[in-house]
Amino acid sequence: DGGITQSPKYLFRKEGQNVTLSCEQNLNHDAMYWYRQDPGQGLRLIYYSQIVNDFQKGDIAEGYSVSREKKESFPLTVTSAQKNPTAFYLCASSSRGEGGYTFGSGTRLTVV
Amino acid sequence: DAKTTQPPSMDCAEGRAANLPCNHSTISGNEYVYWYRQIHSQGPQYIIHGLKNNETNEMASLIITEDRKSSTLILPHATLRDTAVYYCIVRVAHDSNYQLIWGAGTKLIIKP
Repeated sequence: DGGITQSPKYLFRKEGQNVTLSCEQNLNHDAMYWYRQDPGQGLRLIYYSQIVNDFQKGDIAEGYSVSREKKESFPLTVTSAQKNPTAFYLCASSSRGEGGYTFGSGTRLTVV
Repeated sequence: DAKTTQPPSMDCAEGRAANLPCNHSTISGNEYVYWYRQIHSQGPQYIIHGLKNNETNEMASLIITEDRKSSTLILPHATLRDTAVYYCIVRVAHDSNYQLIWGAGTKLIIKP
């Protein structure tokens, strides 16, 4: 079945460490997105990529980095520069045209 | 900023129709309205979308006013499993693709 896979589901990080969240899709979608969600809040866009080897900052890109070396993969690195990284992270993808986004099941990152 | 306004919470009795309102008074002529829902700690799930005409699928119906400044999502026979946060979203054109602008959503609680 086609879909988006995020891993791991839960992740714990010590302060000062970088951590990379995985996102893989087999939907042949061109665009991929990373969102952050804090408790009781909506989704905020971190980074997005419309094509391989290209990506753009979203509304809250500071302290995060991404790469898009393959169409299927869009990993997100949460760096030590991110002041408040504890959150629920969601990856999504979309095709051009009228269709909406398909989301992964999310990664819950906790800084300990 | 979100282009939609939704009530923060609503209740509905099991088996009854749940009607979720959304205001999008600044929507442009070519911007679609999308609805997603999110069950706690999961990725958002696509429900339905529309531009001008009313739409219906196996999950819900979407009623858009003639002036397109508001819409209503209807779950015809709500069940306990429909308890979730429902997001009304406007899809805006961005570069050569589209982006979904998320608000805080409506927390719908279905009561037995």
